[in-house]
Order: sequence, then structure tokens, then C-alpha cells
Amino acid sequence: SQQGEEDPQALSIQEGENATMNCSYKTSINNLQWYRQNSGRGLVHLILIRSNEREKHSGRLRVTLDTSKKSSSLLITASRAADTASYFCATRNGNTPLVFGKGTRLSVIA
Amino acid sequence: GAGVSQTPSNKVTEKGKYVELRCDPISGHTALYWYRQSLGQGPEFLIYFQGTGAADDSGLPNDRFFAVRPEGSVSTLKIQRTERGDSAVYLCASSPRTSGRSYQETQYFGPGTRLLVL
Repeated sequence: SQQGEEDPQALSIQEGENATMNCSYKTSINNLQWYRQNSGRGLVHLILIRSNEREKHSGRLRVTLDTSKKSSSLLITASRAADTASYFCATRNGNTPLVFGKGTRLSVIA
Repeated sequence: GAGVSQTPSNKVTEKGKYVELRCDPISGHTALYWYRQSLGQGPEFLIYFQGTGAADDSGLPNDRFFAVRPEGSVSTLKIQRTERGDSAVYLCASSPRTSGRSYQETQYFGPGTRLLVL
């Protein structure tokens, strides 16, 4: 079963614009992680935010977490064509397996 | 190697056949995970190893699926009597260790094996 629901399912933007993807989940969590997957390849870990954190930055990435709304957002600033990929949120509660959402397909047009 | 490797990268088989998928985790990583990803979906957990033992196999869909990790390093996912519905990308991931705070750890994914059952 998949807990996370990313929104939108697909997003197309121009190079240089910002991209925002949202993730909603259902149960309590210890942390939420965002992963990127290029077509036909494995997942790459982007950022992990703990349940007691509200915002985290890594380079052009900004992640927010609102545990009261059970939601998270991933912002990619100044997007590049190389950012074209699928982005997944994944949640973890205790020593349970990571639960992934269905992902957002991002297309950045040069 | 520097990352998680998986072989084969692609596997085509016929319905009813047996297949083995191999995962070579990052050296020194004691935790190993298998996931299955269907088209247009996120990865779904299958099984987790801590060392040689399967610590959590709750994601295996049925008894046709089995995985081993006899020496605590390389793992093999085995699928018996394959069905067309088994067609998917099978992903392997590893992480450095499992401890009381293992849930804070990042998982490192391999490129996956794309399985097609005809």
C-alpha cells in the first residue's frame, strides 16, 4: 500500500522557473524523505526531514513539513533541464519500511 | 564498486519460469531492502535484511517470492512460477546499519532490474 500522495501527478515548467510539489500522508511519521528518479534508473535520495523539523534546505531544494496537516512540499528553485525526473516522497514511522507515494513527473523545458 | 549494483539490468522470461535477481549492496552496509515498482507507481516494499536474516518480509506478495542473503552481503530475490503480473522494476537499496535510530537513515538505491514476464 502507498501512503503518500504527491500532487500534482505531472508538472511542466520552463527552465529558470520554480517547481513546487506537494505530498500528503495518512499516519504519524518519524521522518519524510524526498527521492528523485530519472527515467529507467534507480532512486536518488534528495533530503530527509524529521518530524520535529519544519523546514530544511539543500542547495536549490527547500522542503517543508507540516505534521498537523500531514503534508510536505518540495520546492526546486531556478529549475534546470537536468531536473526533469519523477519525484517521490516517502515516509517512515519507527522501524517500519519506507512507504512511497506515486510520484510527481516533472518536465523542465529548456 | 561505489554504489549498489543489480544484475541483470533487464530480464525477459516466460510465464511459469523461475527467475533470480541479484543485488550487490554498498560495501559495509548491513541493511538491505528489496522493492518492486510497477509502471506509474512508487516503489513498494518487499523485504528487508539486517545482516543475513530477513528482519521484515511482510511485503512479499505470496510464497512464490523468496529472498536470501547468506553471507550478509549479496542478496538474491527469487521468483517461482512467474506470472505476467510480476512484470515490474525490482529495486534494491542498502543503508549502513540498523540501530535504534535506523529509521533516520538514508537508503541508497541500485538501478533496478526490469523484469518482463511474457
